[in-house]
Amino acid sequence: DAKTTQPNSMESNEEEPVHLPCNHSTISGTDYIHWYRQLPSQGPEYVIHGLTSNVNNRMASLAIAEDRKSSTLILHRATLRDAAVYYCILRPTRLAGGTSYGKLTFGQGTILTVHP
Amino acid sequence: DADVTQTPRNRITKTGKRIMLECSQTKGHDRMYWYRQDPGLGLRLIYYSFDVKDINKGEISDGYSVSRQAQAKFSLSLESAIPNQTALYFCATSDRASGQGRETQYFGPGTRLLVL
Repeated sequence: DAKTTQPNSMESNEEEPVHLPCNHSTISGTDYIHWYRQLPSQGPEYVIHGLTSNVNNRMASLAIAEDRKSSTLILHRATLRDAAVYYCILRPTRLAGGTSYGKLTFGQGTILTVHP
Repeated sequence: DADVTQTPRNRITKTGKRIMLECSQTKGHDRMYWYRQDPGLGLRLIYYSFDVKDINKGEISDGYSVSRQAQAKFSLSLESAIPNQTALYFCATSDRASGQGRETQYFGPGTRLLVL
């Protein structure tokens, strides 16, 4: 599976935008880019995903580089409730005749601290 | 009510004991997963099941077994618990109908297991 690289930690102030980077230089053409986050003492939570185009939803935006070797999760106005570990994950699509897809491979993630 | 529930939420057991962690979901999803999380590490996949008759080993299945009793229930067993199985365990579900690559997973609240 292709690997992702994220900074270990980032800090932000409340109500400011946050840009969380992820490098995935070995991404394949059919890998989707997913972001999950894990709040303290909770299970991971889906945030957003995309393939080639930038994506927006109520939680965040995802900006994908033109060569797809990197992406950025954007929280437009960070709140204290956004303090969490953010995981960038590549999700492979089905291989011909195989069943190898399905699992999420979590890396170390980025610990986001939001200051009041 | 939560869509993905796990029981128990906390458990302390002794080395050599058999223990079962249970997961139930009301989302109607066909796919279910068991992960473990250790301090300072990301989540690692133990087992996953694409339907009742399709169970697959994940990256760290040794020492664990699973049972998919019904579409909505997926249990994880430690036949003879050992201290290095002390961890936070998460169950997750996903819906095949959402499409390959785009498929997102929904996590339960976790079970905190301590093996003495």
